[in-house]
Amino acid sequence: GQQVMQIPQYQHVQEGEDFTTYCNSSTTLSNIQWYKQRPGGHPVFLIQLVKSGEVKKQKRLTFQFGEAKKNSSLHITATQTTDVGTYFCAGPNGTSGTYKYIFGTGTRLKVLA
Amino acid sequence: DSGVTQTPKHLITATGQRVTLRCSPRSGDLSVYWYQQSLDQGLQFLIQYYNGEERAKGNILERFSAQQFPDLHSELNLSSLELGDSALYFCASSVYSDEFGGYTFGSGTRLTVV
Repeated sequence: GQQVMQIPQYQHVQEGEDFTTYCNSSTTLSNIQWYKQRPGGHPVFLIQLVKSGEVKKQKRLTFQFGEAKKNSSLHITATQTTDVGTYFCAGPNGTSGTYKYIFGTGTRLKVLA
Repeated sequence: DSGVTQTPKHLITATGQRVTLRCSPRSGDLSVYWYQQSLDQGLQFLIQYYNGEERAKGNILERFSAQQFPDLHSELNLSSLELGDSALYFCASSVYSDEFGGYTFGSGTRLTVV
């Protein structure tokens, strides 16, 4: 079945350092979504990428969808303590009308002040 | 407040018991999704309902069942509970069943089986 893997599993950075998490799918994706889950919280939708090679920015966060639409990345510039949490990518699985999103394994980010 | 309401927030029960988790989707959303998150694990898709009908199924155990009611709220029933069922159960909702725009998650129900 479809698998969505993320690396690294954990990342500790000093505040102000950059951070990148990578997402790889075993199958080509029509789109990919990214979520953030704060410690003790629930996943919150960040963004969706649809086009091959697409790059989107949200302030210090840069999201990229690979040319082959099988991988994606999230890069955070100059991390802050508010960036702490687990970042998940999610790819759709199924046919139209029966979609469900398969979540990646997640990358847990800790930011040291 | 995300607009998706899950009750109860916490549940402690014994092995072999049965529990019901409830979810009210965000106003206007027709789809409800259930996910299981075990300790330090990712989100495992269980089942999806759209406007009262089951639309997609994941690795949901036969001991688990769900339904979506005419008012669009959903319930997840877990029976013959085992220690390994202890987890955080999230409900999410979206407007349609093919979702561009992301899911809105509730705050979850933490189930502890003792």
